[in-house]
Amino acid sequence: GAVVSQHPSRVICKSGTSVKIECRSLDFQATTMFWYRQFPKQSLMLMATSNEGSKATYEQGVEKDKFLINHASLTLSTLTVTSAHPEDSSFYICSARDFKNTEAFFGQGTRLTVV
Amino acid sequence: GENVEQHPSTLSVQEGDSAVIKCTYSDSASNYFPWYKQELGKGPQLIIDIRSNVGEKKDQRIAVTLNKTAKHFSLHITETQPEDSAVYFCAATPNSNSGYALNFGKGTSLLVTP
Repeated sequence: GAVVSQHPSRVICKSGTSVKIECRSLDFQATTMFWYRQFPKQSLMLMATSNEGSKATYEQGVEKDKFLINHASLTLSTLTVTSAHPEDSSFYICSARDFKNTEAFFGQGTRLTVV
Repeated sequence: GENVEQHPSTLSVQEGDSAVIKCTYSDSASNYFPWYKQELGKGPQLIIDIRSNVGEKKDQRIAVTLNKTAKHFSLHITETQPEDSAVYFCAATPNSNSGYALNFGKGTSLLVTP
């Protein structure tokens, strides 16, 4: 089946630094990818919808200048957390839907810890 | 927008018993309803899905039912095993365009005790 690969799986960074998370669709073209954030024991909250070749669409309350999204190709989207703070510590998960199929595939997630 | 409610938030069953998780949705345009299993520290994994043109779908020990009139759908796991222990999420979305994100329920933490 289709696979979405997300890296890194874990990252620890210092406050004020930036962290980039990559999301790749390995065997299908994903014109649209989605970025979610999940706090402990909570559901997945959509942060933004990433469209190949155009600007991402951010959900209400998500700062676009803090969470930079780039979807430069049909198989790669990146999320950069800029000037990270401890409150940004969370589990970030990407997802992609094949335009031929409604099924959404998820990456393995990235555990971000800001110290 | 779509609002998906999921119950119960926690569920504990004995091995071999059945488990049922229920979800309701608000947007009548939604017509794709997947269920995901998430283990600790991992991304969600699709376990079964159903589209609005069918009322029930089964895959071995897992089944999903859909009532479009009442806007609710349910996950049924029979003969539960300890490895079924995880958090389960329901979701809903219109499937006419792959650009639509999934709207998730709050999740059900299932514990299967030996």
